Amino acid sequence: DGGITQSPKYLFRKEGQNVTLSCEQNLNHDAMYWYRQDPGQGLRLIYYSQIVNDFQKGDIAEGYSVSREKKESFPLTVTSAQKNPTAFYLCASRTTGSSNQPQHFGDGTRLSIL
Amino acid sequence: AQSVTQLDSQVPVFEEAPVELRCNYSSSVSVYLFWYVQYPNQGLQLLLKYLSGSTLVESINGFEAEFNKSQTSFHLRKPSVHISDTAEYFCAVSDPNTDKLIFGTGTRLQVFP
Repeated sequence: DGGITQSPKYLFRKEGQNVTLSCEQNLNHDAMYWYRQDPGQGLRLIYYSQIVNDFQKGDIAEGYSVSREKKESFPLTVTSAQKNPTAFYLCASRTTGSSNQPQHFGDGTRLSIL
Repeated sequence: AQSVTQLDSQVPVFEEAPVELRCNYSSSVSVYLFWYVQYPNQGLQLLLKYLSGSTLVESINGFEAEFNKSQTSFHLRKPSVHISDTAEYFCAVSDPNTDKLIFGTGTRLQVFP
């Protein structure tokens, strides 16, 4: 079945440590997105990529970095500069060409600080 | 810039009662509208979408939403809810200029027996 796989499901970070969240899709989608979800705040866009080797900052990119070396993969690194990283992180993808296409989501990674 | 407002953060309701989850948006251009549902510790699943044509759209599990351009609303309704409908519901608008989805803050639907 086609879909989006996020791993790990739960992740713990020590102070001053960088961690990387994985997102892989086999839907042949060009565009991929990373969101952060906090209680009562909905989803906020961190980074997005519409094509391989290109990506743009979203609304809350500070303290995060991404890469898009392959169409299928869009890993997110939470750096030590992100002072409040505890949240639920969601990856999404969709076809490009028209904004009427919905985004498809993975099951998320919950990041906590030790 | 587009924005989405979900006025109700929580909606408690008894099983088999009707429910309406409200969504209002602001936009200066034509938009596409979506409702997503999120069950605990899971990602978002598309519930239904409005692209064009009939203003009433339906999902396979009994939800429907009506696009009202004059009121800039896209409220979600279900005539009789089940315990299994307990989840968080997000309204979203697609920005045709930036290719991004703008989400509301979500409404938590809690169905009681």
